[in-house]
Amino acid sequence: DGGITQSPKYLFRKEGQNVTLSCEQNLNHDAMYWYRQDPGQGLRLIYYSQIVNDFQKGDIAEGYSVSREKKESFPLTVTSAQKNPTAFYLCASSILAGAGPNTQYFGPGTRLTVL
Amino acid sequence: AQKVTQAQTEISVVEKEDVTLDCVYETRDTTYYLFWYKQPPSGELVFLIRRNSFDEQNEISGRYSWNFQKSTSSFNFTITASQVVDSAVYFCALTGNSGNTPLVFGKGTRLSVIA
Repeated sequence: DGGITQSPKYLFRKEGQNVTLSCEQNLNHDAMYWYRQDPGQGLRLIYYSQIVNDFQKGDIAEGYSVSREKKESFPLTVTSAQKNPTAFYLCASSILAGAGPNTQYFGPGTRLTVL
Repeated sequence: AQKVTQAQTEISVVEKEDVTLDCVYETRDTTYYLFWYKQPPSGELVFLIRRNSFDEQNEISGRYSWNFQKSTSSFNFTITASQVVDSAVYFCALTGNSGNTPLVFGKGTRLSVIA
């Protein structure tokens, strides 16, 4: 089945550790995105990538890093520099075709908790 | 800057009641796109609708309907004859037409439908 997978579903991190969240899609989408969701808040953009080996910072990129070595994969690393990383992380993807924005489809999310 | 406001933080209704979720947006773009997503308790965002700024026709899909009014910068969502399965957080989102730019989300409205 086509879709977006995120792993793990739950992740626990000790303070000072880096952790990497996985996002994979088999939809042949060009663009991929990472959002962060805090309780009672909307989604805020961390990073996005429209082509392989290129990505742009979103509104809250500090303390995070990404890579886009393959079209289908867009992992997010939460570094120790991120002061408050406990949140729900959502990955999304979309095609790049035609005029105007294309619909973003979301994965099931990873819930990160810092112990 | 773009902004989406969902003034209703939480709404509770009894099953079979109609309910309207409000969305007000701000943008300087002449061409823009509006979205609604549903986030059930599982966490994954489910795409519901996309509407561009040139199409002001209301849309109906089963029990769901959307009322887009440029004059008031609103894109409201109505669920008719609500059901318990409609219980979720609903997000309104906005993006401009400059390529596949990321979405700007409202903070969401939590809808609880009580049997």
